[in-house]
Amino acid sequence: AQKVTQAQTEISVVEKEDVTLDCVYETRDTTYYLFWYKQPPSGELVFLIRRNSFDEQNEISGRYSWNFQKSTSSFNFTITASQVVDSAVYFCALSEAKGGSEKLVFGKGTKLTVNP
Amino acid sequence: EAQVTQNPRYLITVTGKKLTVTCSQNMNHEYMSWYRQDPGLGLRQIYYSMNVEVTDKGDVPEGYKVSRKEKRNFPLILESPSPNQTSLYFCASSYQDSLDEQYFGPGTRLTVT
Repeated sequence: AQKVTQAQTEISVVEKEDVTLDCVYETRDTTYYLFWYKQPPSGELVFLIRRNSFDEQNEISGRYSWNFQKSTSSFNFTITASQVVDSAVYFCALSEAKGGSEKLVFGKGTKLTVNP
Repeated sequence: EAQVTQNPRYLITVTGKKLTVTCSQNMNHEYMSWYRQDPGLGLRQIYYSMNVEVTDKGDVPEGYKVSRKEKRNFPLILESPSPNQTSLYFCASSYQDSLDEQYFGPGTRLTVT
């Protein structure tokens, strides 16, 4: 069964610090997709990235970067030079491709607080 | 504007009083899904639908029903709500299936007393 673990429940940093949010996943499927979503204090869920299991290249988007390592079943998310606006709950999620690609499993989330 | 809408946004009800939370998307998406969010538990999938008249259970389906009679609508029905169903509910849709980016509604905060 698919499972996502975000061991860090809460992280607090000071503005301009770099911060990494960890995501470890479990799956028996060889084809799967991983996601990160952001939930700011306003409550909506915002898509950040999707990565398939065959693409282990790291991704960078502005101050955000993602490190996908199949060897350790991890898909970590780093924010460089954090800002107060980065304060949010961040969710990692996994969907397996087998069986019709039906279910999406989320981790419990990491609450990031960036202090000025 | 492409969006997923949910109604109501807030609801306080009593145990046992049937309620329906509506969800509608205007993106012609095939896949729709319901999640509940509880403190410390993250988002958990309740039900999903791959297409019209095709629905299936997620990880926490007990106490909920859904229907997909039209492509754009995916209502969540609580036949006999109980206090343990007090939660924040999100509807989502995606182009084809769970491998695609999910577009989420704004959420419905439900309190059952």
